[in-house]
Amino acid sequence: NAGVTQTPKFRILKIGQSMTLQCAQDMNHNYMYWYRQDPGMGLKLIYYSVGAGITDKGEVPNGYNVSRSTTEDFPLRLELAAPSQTSVYFCASSPGQGSYEQYFGPGTRLTVT
Amino acid sequence: TQLLEQSPQFLSIQEGENLTVYCNSSSVFSSLQWYRQEPGEGPVLLVTVVTGGEVKKLKRLTFQFGDARKDSSLHITAAQPGDTGLYLCAGPLPRYNTNAGKSTFGDGTTLTVKP
Repeated sequence: NAGVTQTPKFRILKIGQSMTLQCAQDMNHNYMYWYRQDPGMGLKLIYYSVGAGITDKGEVPNGYNVSRSTTEDFPLRLELAAPSQTSVYFCASSPGQGSYEQYFGPGTRLTVT
Repeated sequence: TQLLEQSPQFLSIQEGENLTVYCNSSSVFSSLQWYRQEPGEGPVLLVTVVTGGEVKKLKRLTFQFGDARKDSSLHITAAQPGDTGLYLCAGPLPRYNTNAGKSTFGDGTTLTVKP
């Protein structure tokens, strides 16, 4: 059972480039989330989804986009990368329906220079 | 505004010592989750507390949910180097904010246990 998988593990981008961070879960969870974690800080919610075809903004959505065409996949798109987007990105999933326990992927460490 | 405040922010102790970390809020939560995050990894769920006054034990870790469901604590007995990590508390946002499915996280307590 793979749980939540994320690719790539590391990435360096130049300012202005774009990329997609991949996230997949095999637990048939309805809810999926994208967080960023800056050094020494907690988690800030970027976007989340309560089911296929439904997405909504979190605390820090600017500069990012998401889509949820299937239950399993929840990619995060960075357009026009900026140094402020240097961070570690975590994808998580949750069963929903009253359960708020989240299961996290291993993270993607992104550097924008 | 941080809904969940964790303290202390940093804690460095010797192996064998006991410690307590705190997660406090002015809001009532229907449940709180505790996670541990090791360097270079994603957070891993440790426990969920649901009932006011509830105490849950996980080996040397004891979790307590406040009677009013506004705070929680994590007590570690005889800490070991393997307990080193970032401890995060989290809880679902109040329903009246129409934030269904979203949780808020504290900034965490970074624990270092020295051999």
